[in-house]
Amino acid sequence: QITLKESGPTLVKPTQTLTLTCTFSGFSLSTSGVGVGWIRQPPGKALEWLALIYWDDDKRYSPSLKSRLTITKDTSKNQVVLTMTNMDPVDTATYYCAHSQESGSCYDYWGQGTLVTVSS
Amino acid sequence: SYVLTQPPSVSVAPGKTARITCGGNNIGSKSVHWYQQKPGQAPVLVIYYDSDRPSGIPERFSGSNSGNTATLTISRVEAGDEADYYCQVWDSSSDHVYVFGTGTKVTVL
Repeated sequence: QITLKESGPTLVKPTQTLTLTCTFSGFSLSTSGVGVGWIRQPPGKALEWLALIYWDDDKRYSPSLKSRLTITKDTSKNQVVLTMTNMDPVDTATYYCAHSQESGSCYDYWGQGTLVTVSS
Repeated sequence: SYVLTQPPSVSVAPGKTARITCGGNNIGSKSVHWYQQKPGQAPVLVIYYDSDRPSGIPERFSGSNSGNTATLTISRVEAGDEADYYCQVWDSSSDHVYVFGTGTKVTVL
């Protein structure tokens, strides 16, 4: 049974750096083809893909946010960490992590999401 | 960057068929995945690789993809199908990034 869960601050101030952790179980991020991605959704708006890290440490980022994002993995802890610098109120959103079975595929398992509010 | 366009809303009576489109340049050459999202919940995969259904998804959900349009079809619509639906592709031509559609709100009348 695959599960993912996001954790991190619920409130950050403008200009601060956001660090979110995705803790998962039921699969290994050292298995060929597997990836974990991050997707966010501002209140009342559409899903927006942010980043993904593959089993072989290949990393992909949204072109529009690439300069602000860093994604890393700790295979031994079954965790993926996303950092986003220079947070702004427009970054207020629910942030999801999700599992992908193979490169270029779909996201077949999702975490419950965590709401991050950016406000002073 | 690659753009996926969906109609903002689709309304359908119970028992009828809902069709949700996802438009993109030559989308027929890509694999399209569809997600259902109900209020306050995480998205759920309902169709992958254009027309495959994950275990547990009713046969009423089907998908197709050709030319510049992919379509999610919900047959014999039920009240429980009311949700937001998103298409998604992997854009291998541009830094191998993932793209989500603009989303469609399906309302069951």
